[in-house]
Amino acid sequence: NAGVTQTPKFQVLKTGQSMTLQCAQDMNHNSMYWYRQDPGMGLRLIYYSASEGTTDKGEVPNGYNVSRLNKREFSLRLESAAPSQTSVYFCASSEWNRDPGRKAFFGQGTRLTVV
Amino acid sequence: QKEVEQDPGPLSVPEGAIVSLNCTYSNSAFQYFMWYRQYSRKGPELLMYTYSSGNKEDGRFTAQVDKSSKYISLFIRDSQPSDSATYLCAINTGTASKLTFGTGTRLQVTL
Repeated sequence: NAGVTQTPKFQVLKTGQSMTLQCAQDMNHNSMYWYRQDPGMGLRLIYYSASEGTTDKGEVPNGYNVSRLNKREFSLRLESAAPSQTSVYFCASSEWNRDPGRKAFFGQGTRLTVV
Repeated sequence: QKEVEQDPGPLSVPEGAIVSLNCTYSNSAFQYFMWYRQYSRKGPELLMYTYSSGNKEDGRFTAQVDKSSKYISLFIRDSQPSDSATYLCAINTGTASKLTFGTGTRLQVTL
């Protein structure tokens, strides 16, 4: 009964380092999302994948890249981390076009600090 | 203008109070309206959803949508300390998968 699993849960990076945040869902959902959450800013969409094989930019895509590896997995990559990318990152999935509630299921988050 | 506006609070109420949480949105194309609850250091969880205008009730929670005013509300009756969390409104057009969230309102219910 895992739902959406994110790894790692915590990470500290130095400015300029790269890293990939991993996300996997076991609910056979078509759509997956990456959000960042900052104090006073709420959840802001970075990238999303409406279905396997497609990705689209969200509200704040600069500095990030994504890969929809297969239907289960959607990774977020920071090529050259900056202190402005210090945030809590959430992955989510949904079956939006077959679910009247448009429910999104979230992972537990990755707390990233860039120093 | 942001697509969804939400008062960030914090909002502090005594146990048993009625709580009203609100959001406004700008795009009349939005059809689906959701409320998520997020406890500290956890991911958001769906609390309620409504489609189009009207009210929806679930136990102590009532979600209300007024599409003519582009205004959505969540009412919590008989609030409990366990309701202390951040409440985020979210909206979707119904024709695309993208969910847009408000900034969230932090609620504290005190004994």
